[in-house]
Amino acid sequence: EAQVTQNPRYLITVTGKKLTVTCSQNMNHEYMSWYRQDPGLGLRQIYYSMNVEVTDKGDVPEGYKVSRKEKRNFPLILESPSPNQTSLYFCASSFVGGGEQYFGPGTRLTVT
Amino acid sequence: SQQGEEDPQALSIQEGENATMNCSYKTSINNLQWYRQNSGRGLVHLILIRSNEREKHSGRLRVTLDTSKKSSSLLITASRAADTASYFCATVLSNDYKLSFGAGTTVTVRA
Repeated sequence: EAQVTQNPRYLITVTGKKLTVTCSQNMNHEYMSWYRQDPGLGLRQIYYSMNVEVTDKGDVPEGYKVSRKEKRNFPLILESPSPNQTSLYFCASSFVGGGEQYFGPGTRLTVT
Repeated sequence: SQQGEEDPQALSIQEGENATMNCSYKTSINNLQWYRQNSGRGLVHLILIRSNEREKHSGRLRVTLDTSKKSSSLLITASRAADTASYFCATVLSNDYKLSFGAGTTVTVRA
């Protein structure tokens, strides 16, 4: 089944404790992206990747890191999480940038 | 800043009625896409319409695009309870690859 998977689905952590949210797609998509969703703000893009080893900042990259060492994986790293990063996070992928995107199920992160 | 803005923010209709929501954007686009999100879950792609297209259909969905007015509309005909969801428009700018999402329209279909 074609899908985007994210892990974990739920995470509660404390300020400053490094964490990684994994994202994997099995559709051989070139483009992958991370978004955060906050009430009333819609989805805002954090980082995106056009292909392996190619990443770029989205609209809200501060406090986040990403890497794209393999085509299928695009992990999101929070080196020192803060409470303002409490949010619902989505990973998405598409064949090419600007095309139809397939979304993962989301990761609900709470930073206390 | 958000490129697309949906209107209305919320919509409540009776089952069987049609639902219309609009999206306005600010700058020239390559394409515009509509997505559906059921409560707290991942977004599902509905329709992509390119800047040189004026109308597209998919089942009970009809999307129009007016580039002169920088606006798009999504019509859901003969709504069902399962259509209850949030609907987002997302634009891809002419010189870019990323999607910019609006804040969404929450649609409630009453049985």
